Amino acid sequence: RKEVEQDPGPFNVPEGATVAFNCTYSNSASQSFFWYRQDCRKEPKLLMSVYSSGNEDGRFTAQLNRASQYISLLIRDSKLSDSATYLCVVNTGSARQLTFGSGTQLTVLP
Amino acid sequence: EAQVTQNPRYLITVTGKKLTVTCSQNMNHEYMSWYRQDPGLGLRQIYYSMNVEVTDKGDVPEGYKVSRKEKRNFPLILESPSPNQTSLYFCASSFSSGANVLTFGAGSRLTVL
Repeated sequence: RKEVEQDPGPFNVPEGATVAFNCTYSNSASQSFFWYRQDCRKEPKLLMSVYSSGNEDGRFTAQLNRASQYISLLIRDSKLSDSATYLCVVNTGSARQLTFGSGTQLTVLP
Repeated sequence: EAQVTQNPRYLITVTGKKLTVTCSQNMNHEYMSWYRQDPGLGLRQIYYSMNVEVTDKGDVPEGYKVSRKEKRNFPLILESPSPNQTSLYFCASSFSSGANVLTFGAGSRLTVL
C-alpha cells in the first residue's frame, strides 16, 4: 500500500461546480498535512495546510479525518484558473519527512 | 525576493557524463531537499539535508550525490547519468524540518540520452 494515495482523476468539471478530492495516508502517527497545487510543468506551491478542526480559505475547505486516515479538499464555485494538479502531502516516518501523493488532475471547463 | 534558484533549468546530456544541478536559497532555511517527479509516480525524495554538513538519503538516492557545505547551497550531483535518470527535478527548502512548508525551485528538466 502506498503511504499517500490519491485518485489521479482526471476530474473535468464545469465552471461553478463544487468538486472534492480525497487522499488517504497509511501512517497513523502522521502529524502534518498539506494540499499543494501544481500547474503544468511548474513547481508545486502550497495551497493550504490542513488542521485537525478543518479549515477554510475562501472557496477552499480542507478537512482531516484521523480515524479513517484521510484528508479532503473541497473547492466551491470552480474557476477556470483552478485547473491544476492537486497534491496531497503528509509527514511520515520518524524523520518527519513529507511524502507526496501522485496528485489529482482537475480541469475546469468553460 | 525570497526564492529557491535551480540551474540549469533544462539540460540534455549523454550517458556517463557527470553533471551537477545547483540549488540555492536566500531565506536562511536550515532544511533542503531534492525530489524527482515522473509521470504516475509523483514527487519522490532523493536526498535531504537538515543543516550544514548533514545529509541523508531519501526514497530514491541511487545514482545521486549531494553536499551541503554552506547553508544556502545544496547541489545535486549525477556522477554517471543514465537514461533512467531522465526526469523533472525539484529542489526545495523549509525553515526547519521536512514537516514544515516547503518552498520549491522552478524545476530542472534533465534528459539523459
